[in-house]
Amino acid sequence: NAGVMQNPRHLVRRRGQEARLRCSPMKGHSHVYWYRQLPEEGLKFMVYLQKENIIDESGMPKERFSAEFPKEGPSILRIQQVVRGDSAAYFCASSPPGGLAGLNEQFFGPGTRLTVL
Amino acid sequence: SQQGEEDPQALSIQEGENATMNCSYKTSINNLQWYRQNSGRGLVHLILIRSNEREKHSGRLRVTLDTSKKSSSLLITASRAADTASYFCATETGANSKLTFGKGITLSVRP
Repeated sequence: NAGVMQNPRHLVRRRGQEARLRCSPMKGHSHVYWYRQLPEEGLKFMVYLQKENIIDESGMPKERFSAEFPKEGPSILRIQQVVRGDSAAYFCASSPPGGLAGLNEQFFGPGTRLTVL
Repeated sequence: SQQGEEDPQALSIQEGENATMNCSYKTSINNLQWYRQNSGRGLVHLILIRSNEREKHSGRLRVTLDTSKKSSSLLITASRAADTASYFCATETGANSKLTFGKGITLSVRP
């Protein structure tokens, strides 16, 4: 059973371009979380999705950022018109469906390191 | 300040010694988790302790949770150079199970 997969692992964009980050959850997992880690910082929650639904986007910047988790295919975190301050490591985590709060471990992917020139 | 705050911020010990790291938080939690991150790499889940548990062991790791003080500690016994990494505590709160991370503790284990 492959772990959480993210691609690309490294992404370089110039200011104003778009960045698309992909996350394939573990097999059987239907919950996906995106986190951002700035240099020398801990991870900050961005968004929580289930298949075809955004459940909690309280950590997403109001503009330029969007996320989706379609019925088929990976979850996508999209950043439009990137700026230098978007440079960070973006981690995706997945967890299985169902279960009670407090019982499900989140499994993290290796992250995508975005550099904006 | 953050939900999860670790201390110390940095810890340097000799191989074989024990390392103790602390985490404090502010609101009620479902569980508290500890992760390790090697430089430039992803997160490795170490241990999860639920809000109704007080202590948990996994190999050389021992985690305690004191909900009355809203604090947790991670003890790594008989440390090894390979334990050198950043360690984060993360609290899970609410129905959506999102994690709130601290800034992390940098542990250096000298061979």
